[in-house]
Amino acid sequence: GIQVEQSPPDLILQEGANSTLRCNFSDSVNNLQWFHQNPWGQLINLFYIPSGTKQNGRLSATTVATERYSLLYISSSQTTDSGVYFCAVLPNKAAGNKLTFGGGTRVLVKP
Amino acid sequence: EPEVTQTPSHQVTQMGQEVILRCVPISNHLYFYWYRQILGQKVEFLVSFYNNEISEKSEIFDDQFSVERPDGSNFTLKIRSTKLEDSAMYFCASSGAGYSNQPQHFGDGTRLSIL
Repeated sequence: GIQVEQSPPDLILQEGANSTLRCNFSDSVNNLQWFHQNPWGQLINLFYIPSGTKQNGRLSATTVATERYSLLYISSSQTTDSGVYFCAVLPNKAAGNKLTFGGGTRVLVKP
Repeated sequence: EPEVTQTPSHQVTQMGQEVILRCVPISNHLYFYWYRQILGQKVEFLVSFYNNEISEKSEIFDDQFSVERPDGSNFTLKIRSTKLEDSAMYFCASSGAGYSNQPQHFGDGTRLSIL
């Protein structure tokens, strides 16, 4: 099946810093989503971005489908940005609709 | 904005008992899913459901598990004879009709603890 690798696995930031999280995938995809899992375990949908660039406040994401990667940018980080960030993909060739998740990037923003 | 809702938020059950996790998908969605996340690990697909039948299931989804859409709004996951290793966060998701390139919307999860 498709492989999804996220880097870095862990990230410690000072409040106000900017950062970039990366998601590499091994096959072409129909669907790519970024999620933030907060300390209560909830999965918050950040972006649906199979290709192109989107922005939502201090967060933005870019997917370069032809090169099989996606980037999530966090600008002016805040302590509430702490948590685990997951990307999840749906391969083009998939018969069904199951999302395959990466291992996540654990982010800690210090005040 | 419409949401996927899951109940209960936390379920504690004795090993060997049956549990039913409940989900109300977004009302005009036709594709439904269950995912599982063991503590500290990645989110794993369990099963997808469309047109009142399972469309895909993972190796995890064995005879211990079943899904049902008992009425027009609920979607349930039943786990029979629970084991310690069933302890996890269970997420329900739904997506729109027609084609696969639609985002999946996730509920807040049910944390299942097996004692």
